Amino acid sequence: AQSVTQPDIHITVSEGASLELRCNYSYGATPYLFWYVQSPGQGLQLLLKYFSGDTLVQGIKGFEAEFKRSQSSFNLRKPSVHWSDAAEYFCAVGMDTGRRALTFGSGTRLQVQP
Amino acid sequence: NAGVTQTPKFRILKIGQSMTLQCTQDMNHNYMYWYRQDPGMGLKLIYYSVGAGITDKGEVPNGYNVSRSTTEDFPLRLELAAPSQTSVYFCASSKGQEGGYTFGSGTRLTVV
Repeated sequence: AQSVTQPDIHITVSEGASLELRCNYSYGATPYLFWYVQSPGQGLQLLLKYFSGDTLVQGIKGFEAEFKRSQSSFNLRKPSVHWSDAAEYFCAVGMDTGRRALTFGSGTRLQVQP
Repeated sequence: NAGVTQTPKFRILKIGQSMTLQCTQDMNHNYMYWYRQDPGMGLKLIYYSVGAGITDKGEVPNGYNVSRSTTEDFPLRLELAAPSQTSVYFCASSKGQEGGYTFGSGTRLTVV
């Protein structure tokens, strides 16, 4: 079964600094990969996704992520963080065989300092 | 554009009571899902459905039941509520696996 690891439970960055959130997955083939963001008390919103093609994908709100097959990683990046980016971020993996549902990581909570 | 609608938003249940969490989507998505979210644990899949009349268990199905009689609706039934079912429940839908999910706003359930 696939699994997703987000090694950082909590990250604090200063406004305007760059950001990288880590995500590693375990799956034999190339999975579908996603990043979602959850603001307090809200549902999850899709930031970006990868399932084939260019390994650097662009998403909403200025986020991007890079798929690295050799490292089984799909890290999320943003060059300059805004205070409104403070939220919880979830990486998720899916596949087109077997259980057709996403497996989510445990999340990384981002705090932005002024 | 309603998307995925969940009701109720909040509910307090007593141990042993039953309830149904409602989920409706208006996007004609075949796939629908129920997840529960507990602090520090991410989202765990309870049940999912790939189309009307088809449901399957996820990682944590015990204590729950679902049905999918129409494309739009995917209710989650809790029988004999237990404190361990205190959680935030999210319903989601998708056109297919590669498209990503549309989530509802969640139901916060407390069992006392």
